[in-house]
Amino acid sequence: GAVVSQHPSWVICKSGTSVKIECRSLDFQATTMFWYRQFPKQSLMLMATSNEGSKATYEQGVEKDKFLINHASLTLSTLTVTSAHPEDSSFYICSASAEDRGETGELFFGEGSRLTVL
Amino acid sequence: DAKTTQPTSMDCAEGRAANLPCNHSTISGNEYVYWYRQIHSQGPQYIIHGLKNNETNEMASLIITEDRKSSTLILPHATLRDTAVYYCIVRGRLTAGKSTFGDGTTLTVKP
Repeated sequence: GAVVSQHPSWVICKSGTSVKIECRSLDFQATTMFWYRQFPKQSLMLMATSNEGSKATYEQGVEKDKFLINHASLTLSTLTVTSAHPEDSSFYICSASAEDRGETGELFFGEGSRLTVL
Repeated sequence: DAKTTQPTSMDCAEGRAANLPCNHSTISGNEYVYWYRQIHSQGPQYIIHGLKNNETNEMASLIITEDRKSSTLILPHATLRDTAVYYCIVRGRLTAGKSTFGDGTTLTVKP
């Protein structure tokens, strides 16, 4: 299957700082990537859809000014958590579908990035 | 989205087949059934998907009933590493990225 990689795997930051998480499709081009957040013992919640070359589409209740998404190339999307606070501590996951390889809609996920805000 | 219903948890003995059911009675004609799993503290992993016919790959088999209102994921010889949360998702191919992940089934494979 297609490979999606996230970096960093985990990050600890101080309250008020910003953190950037990268999501890369390693062996395919992804015009669309997706960002999720997962709190302990809960399921994944879609935060936003990242579109290459255009603005991201955010799900209801997700603050676009707090969670900045940039999809500047066909293999890279970034999520920046701005002015992070302890309540932003979570497991952030990205995914993409390998549409250019004729895949039929299955999603390939990154390894996840665990953010801890002190 | 078609809503899916899965059991909260299941146990399976190591080496035996694990059969994970999923009900999706409101599935539409153009919607696929996708299965993913998430091992603790990792990103989800794609397992298999199907539309109408039964499917098999190196990881699992997917059995879809003729009326498409339910399906079963089969792990033929479960190992301890198959312990994970298994998600059944029903979605159109072009909108798969907007998939809603429910609570899934927590499969525990026991020695």
